[in-house]
Amino acid sequence: NAGVTQTPKFQVLKTGQSMTLQCAQDMNHNSMYWYRQDPGMGLRLIYYSASEGTTDKGEVPNGYNVSRLNKREFSLRLESAAPSQTSVYFCASSAQKRQFFGPGTRLTVL
Amino acid sequence: GEDVEQSLFLSVREGDSSVINCTYTDSSSTYLYWYKQEPGAGLQLLTYIFSNMDMKQDQRLTVLLNKKDKHLSLRIADTQTGDSAIYFCAETLMNRDDKIIFGKGTRLHILP
Repeated sequence: NAGVTQTPKFQVLKTGQSMTLQCAQDMNHNSMYWYRQDPGMGLRLIYYSASEGTTDKGEVPNGYNVSRLNKREFSLRLESAAPSQTSVYFCASSAQKRQFFGPGTRLTVL
Repeated sequence: GEDVEQSLFLSVREGDSSVINCTYTDSSSTYLYWYKQEPGAGLQLLTYIFSNMDMKQDQRLTVLLNKKDKHLSLRIADTQTGDSAIYFCAETLMNRDDKIIFGKGTRLHILP
C-alpha cells in the first residue's frame, strides 16, 4: 500500500496562475482532508470530504476549491494564486478516528 | 470553543526524558493523539489514547491524560537524536465526524 500520495512535491507559481494539487489514497477511506501548514500556525483545515460526493469548508477555504473525484482522489484547486497561498499543503485520509497524511506539496507563489 | 494549546519549543539533552505537554478546552474529546513530523515530511501518527483511559505506554512513549484538568502529555524516555521533530497534539470531538483539531506543534530540539 502506498498510503496517501500527493503530486507535485514542489511547485512555483506566479500570482494569478492556477493549478490543481492532486491527492490519492489506497486505504479505502471515506474521509479525506486538505490542510495548509505555515510557520507558527500549525495545521489549518482548508476543506474536507466525509464521503464520495460530499465536500465541506474548513477553517480557511477562501481562494480554494476541491473535487472529490471518487473515493480514492481528492484534489485542491487554486484558481488565481496569491502570495498569501505560499505554504506547505498536506492531504490526509482517515478511518476509525485516525488520520494518515501524505508527504506534502511545497507551493511558492511569487 | 475548540482549542488545543502546546508550547512551541522544547530542548532536551540526549539520553534524558522529554515531556511534551498539551491542554485542550473541549470536554467532549473522544480521542487524543500525538503526531510526529520530521523535517520535510508529513505527519505520522505516533500514538493515541481514548478519553476513558488515564495512561498508555508503548515502548519509549508514555501518554498521560488528566481529564479533570484537560491536560495531555507525551513522555519520550531516553531521548535520541532521531526524536528531533515537531510533535502535534490533537483531539477529536464527539459527533464531529472524523475532524481532528490540531495544536500548533512543539519543536523538540535534542542537545548533544
